[in-house]
Amino acid sequence: RKEVEQDPGPFNVPEGATVAFNCTYSNSASQSFFWYRQDCRKEPKLLMSVYSSGNEDGRFTAQLNRASQYISLLIRDSKLSDSATYLCVVNPGNQFYFGTGTSLTVIP
Amino acid sequence: EPEVTQTPSHQVTQMGQEVILRCVPISNHLYFYWYRQILGQKVEFLVSFYNNEISEKSEIFDDQFSVERPDGSNFTLKIRSTKLEDSAMYFCASSDGTSGYTDTQYFGPGTRLTVL
Repeated sequence: RKEVEQDPGPFNVPEGATVAFNCTYSNSASQSFFWYRQDCRKEPKLLMSVYSSGNEDGRFTAQLNRASQYISLLIRDSKLSDSATYLCVVNPGNQFYFGTGTSLTVIP
Repeated sequence: EPEVTQTPSHQVTQMGQEVILRCVPISNHLYFYWYRQILGQKVEFLVSFYNNEISEKSEIFDDQFSVERPDGSNFTLKIRSTKLEDSAMYFCASSDGTSGYTDTQYFGPGTRLTVL
């Protein structure tokens, strides 16, 4: 079973739309969780950490459900600049495990 | 804003040759990592390094690979006897160690390695 699983997409949404990505992880002992974004042929860049109580950063909201081993990312009011691949990252304590990423294209 | 830097940005080598990829982590960070990403695939962990020694390595990180922190700023990945399947983007990352290995990691821009 893969450590981290994501729907690869692609998601094509109009500007202004709300879009949600989901991610599941296999190791119940995982300790830290993140969403990174990766533009084509660039390095992963931290979008936000994911906390147990859920957290929000502007248009972005992350949720963690430890019982279901499930992480989500909600993007409101999508901008053209949000087009990228969104990487779910889970750390059980010794290394980062990356999902394959979910591709988002925001269309004018 | 401090950032991780990597050199070279692109390295082309012949199969069987040795390459050294260089990284300068963020200056006050204590934990260092190497990852690779084969084109079209996910980012994969190779190795973590703390207190001048390897703390964790993946199955990918076999005897062909080695890491070193030769001075107070550089962190290198050496790949001996390169193979075609070593062609990938190699990312260096560092974290400040506030929470050990669970901290946020900051990634460098990567070195694209092409083995011919």
